Amino acid sequence: AQKVTQAQTEISVVEKEDVTLDCVYETRDTTYYLFWYKQPPSGELVFLIRRNSFDEQNEISGRYSWNFQKSTSSFNFTITASQVVDSAVYFCALSGDILTGGGNKLTFGTGTQLKVEL
Amino acid sequence: KAGVTQTPRYLIKTRGQQVTLSCSPISGHRSVSWYQQTPGQGLQFLFEYFSETQRNKGNFPGRFSGRQFSNSRSEMNVSTLELGDSALYLCASSFGLDGELFFGEGSRLTVL
Repeated sequence: AQKVTQAQTEISVVEKEDVTLDCVYETRDTTYYLFWYKQPPSGELVFLIRRNSFDEQNEISGRYSWNFQKSTSSFNFTITASQVVDSAVYFCALSGDILTGGGNKLTFGTGTQLKVEL
Repeated sequence: KAGVTQTPRYLIKTRGQQVTLSCSPISGHRSVSWYQQTPGQGLQFLFEYFSETQRNKGNFPGRFSGRQFSNSRSEMNVSTLELGDSALYLCASSFGLDGELFFGEGSRLTVL
């Protein structure tokens, strides 16, 4: 069975602070995919990033960066110089090998509510 | 390009009734997935359709069913509604099977 744990329920920061959202996953698949999605107050989930299990390179996209460490089964997300518009619930998710039924069947974590205040 | 459209956005039903929710995916997307979101259980996968075939099903009772039409539009149905079915039902479409999902705004179902 797959499992995603986001231990941080809620994080509050002041604008311009850096913040890291933690994600730990469990899976028996050797091929799997990790994701981060953002759910702003409007409610619509927005895709942020996808990583496959064979690619441990860290990724940076503007103020966003992701750190994937297979050794610790973690896929953490850092927002640099946070802004009020970053306030949202962030979900980490996991899917298995497409060939064995994975793909678009995502297992989501419980989400981390990020509040960025002025 | 139009996003994923879900109808209705809000609905109220009573226990024992049934409900049908509709989802129109982004043009060209062949995969439609459904998720249930509740405060207690979070986001849970219901089912996925790809080219009119159910590709995956989550761990929900048989009261939850769905289908996909030839134009990729999808419907999900919940029969014999229970109070615990109150939730936000999210539809997501995808061009392929890579997990990059485009979500609609959801249909918020309240069961009284």
